[in-house]
Parts: sequence; structure tokens; C-alpha cells
Amino acid sequence: DVQLVESGGGLVKPGGSLRLSCAASGFTFWTYSMNWVRQAPGKGLEWVSSISSSSSYIYDADSAKGRFTISRDNAKNSLYLQMNSLRAEDTAVYYCARRYCSGDSCYIDYWGQGTLVTVSS
Amino acid sequence: SYVLTQPPSVSMAPGQTARITCGGNKIGSKSVHWSQQKPGQAPVLVVYDDSDRPSGIPERISGSNSGNTATLTISRVEAGDEADYYCQVWDNNSDHPVFGGGTKLTVL
Repeated sequence: DVQLVESGGGLVKPGGSLRLSCAASGFTFWTYSMNWVRQAPGKGLEWVSSISSSSSYIYDADSAKGRFTISRDNAKNSLYLQMNSLRAEDTAVYYCARRYCSGDSCYIDYWGQGTLVTVSS
Repeated sequence: SYVLTQPPSVSMAPGQTARITCGGNKIGSKSVHWSQQKPGQAPVLVVYDDSDRPSGIPERISGSNSGNTATLTISRVEAGDEADYYCQVWDNNSDHPVFGGGTKLTVL
């Protein structure tokens, strides 16, 4: 079974940094593009960042540009999100999510359970 | 960027049919996918490619897509269907998902 397990969330002060990790299992991690998606308390889903299978392509939402860095280690079946200069509005549950593609159609097919990041003084 | 519009809430009595819409410009030309999120849980994919269901998703849940509206239909609504539902399309230009704002289904 596909499993995505996030870790690294917690309470951090504004301006601080945090590194999230996602451990993947049950599928050939190195062949899939991966994403980080977040959900602020009581709000909807917001895409944050994506990385291709070999790390050749990286895309960031405007809210993440210049502050967040996505990366992966295929040897460790792991996905990461380095978050710097954190703001109160970054408070959210952060989900690791797998992209699945079939022909011209792509979508998120699996999500981790999420890790909560709280930015507060 | 592409915008998906969902009603904030839909309410239905048990046994009735709930329809949740997702509006977008010429969305019928795109593949639409739906996820269900129950309180305190991660989203789960329930419909992909407009109308296909992953294994384990009941046939009561179905999808359609045409023109400017995609629709998720839940027949014979049960208390266990109470959740937030999100539509999703893929932005191929910058390889990322685009989500609707979500619809809260309340079972009366």
C-alpha cells in the first residue's frame, strides 16, 4: 500500500525556519513527481511546491517563492520542504502528495496524514 | 491562473441525491478529479478523470463533466458521506494541481 508519512511540523516564531520531511513507501518513489499542499485552519487546499522525479523541474506557488525550497532524496524515498522566513499566514497542515499521470491526465492520488506548522510568537 | 468555483455548502437528507458542482471556463475540455476530506483526516481521491472511481469507492459516488461545469453526484446520501469535497484539475504549464474552494456536504 502507498504510504506517505510527514514529520517535522511544530511551533515556530515569525521569521523562523522549519524543515518538513515525508517518508514514502509502497511504491517506486523515484518515478513519481511529488508535491507539498497545505491547508490553513478552516480553509481549503493550497498547492505549495512540486518537484519532478529526478529533481530536474521545481515549481513553487507565489506564496512560497524565495522562502520555501522543495527537495528529494530518491535513495532514501524521502521528500523535504525547507521553510524559511516563516509568517503567521504560513500556519497550516502541510500534506505530502503524490502526482499520478495517465496519458494527458495528471492528479493527486495519494496524500499523507499531514503535519501541523504553527507560526506564532 | 485557472479558477475553479464550488458552492461553500450543500445540505441533503439521508437517502437523497447530493450534487456538488465545480465551475470553470471550458472545464469540460479538462480532466476533473474529486477528493473527499472528513474532519481531521487527509483528503482521499474519490473520482478521477471526470467519472472514474478508485477501487473501494462505492458506486453511489459518480462524476460528470461538460461545458463549464463538472458535477460530483452522491446517491442515497448517508451520514458517513458528511465531508468537504474538493474538485481538482492539473495545470500542465507549471505542473501543479489547481483546487476548487471546497464544498461542505451536510447530511441533515
